[in-house]
Amino acid sequence: QKEVEQNSGPLSVPEGAIASLNCTYSDRGSQSFFWYRQYSGKSPELIMFIYSNGDKEDGRFTAQLNKASQYVSLLIRDSQPSDSATYLCAVNMGSGAYKYIFGTGTRLKVLA
Amino acid sequence: NAGVTQTPKFQVLKTGQSMTLQCAQDMNHNSMYWYRQDPGMGLRLIYYSASEGTTDKGEVPNGYNVSRLNKREFSLRLESAAPSQTSVYFCASSEALGVGQPQHFGDGTRLSIL
Repeated sequence: QKEVEQNSGPLSVPEGAIASLNCTYSDRGSQSFFWYRQYSGKSPELIMFIYSNGDKEDGRFTAQLNKASQYVSLLIRDSQPSDSATYLCAVNMGSGAYKYIFGTGTRLKVLA
Repeated sequence: NAGVTQTPKFQVLKTGQSMTLQCAQDMNHNSMYWYRQDPGMGLRLIYYSASEGTTDKGEVPNGYNVSRLNKREFSLRLESAAPSQTSVYFCASSEALGVGQPQHFGDGTRLSIL
């Protein structure tokens, strides 16, 4: 089992719809969770992060964390073609030596 | 405010050559990181530096060395390049090492080893 798993996609959604991106992690000691967006040929850029169970909203983005199920998701409301990118989940694992593990990413395509 | 600056942006090397990738940040961050990104493998941590004067191995350190020159600069050296080191290399920084510290990335160096 990979430490951080994401469906590689592509996930295709029509413009204006809600895109739902999911991430699962293996270490129950994980303490913080990050979503990055990466356009093709560019570097990752931070979208948002979450520490506590529940939802965290920032504009059109909502991160959801469920530590009991070891699951974190990112919802993008009113999806736009400019949201088409690869979304990387990263987990800062709290046990033992420093570990900041990235998933392989989900490619999102927003269809105009 | 440049953030994290990496040089060079592109490089082609022959097997066995050496080179150093440079990284500098102007955000007064304490911690810095080097990653490589390969198709289907995601971002993998090569080395990190929690603070000036310290460096530690990450997930894939073999074939690399690093130097934290000062608080701003963190370099990655390939002593004898191998085709398996063909990749995109990203440098990143964060305020500190620890829980809840988001990382800020440079634009990357695209390295090809022939």
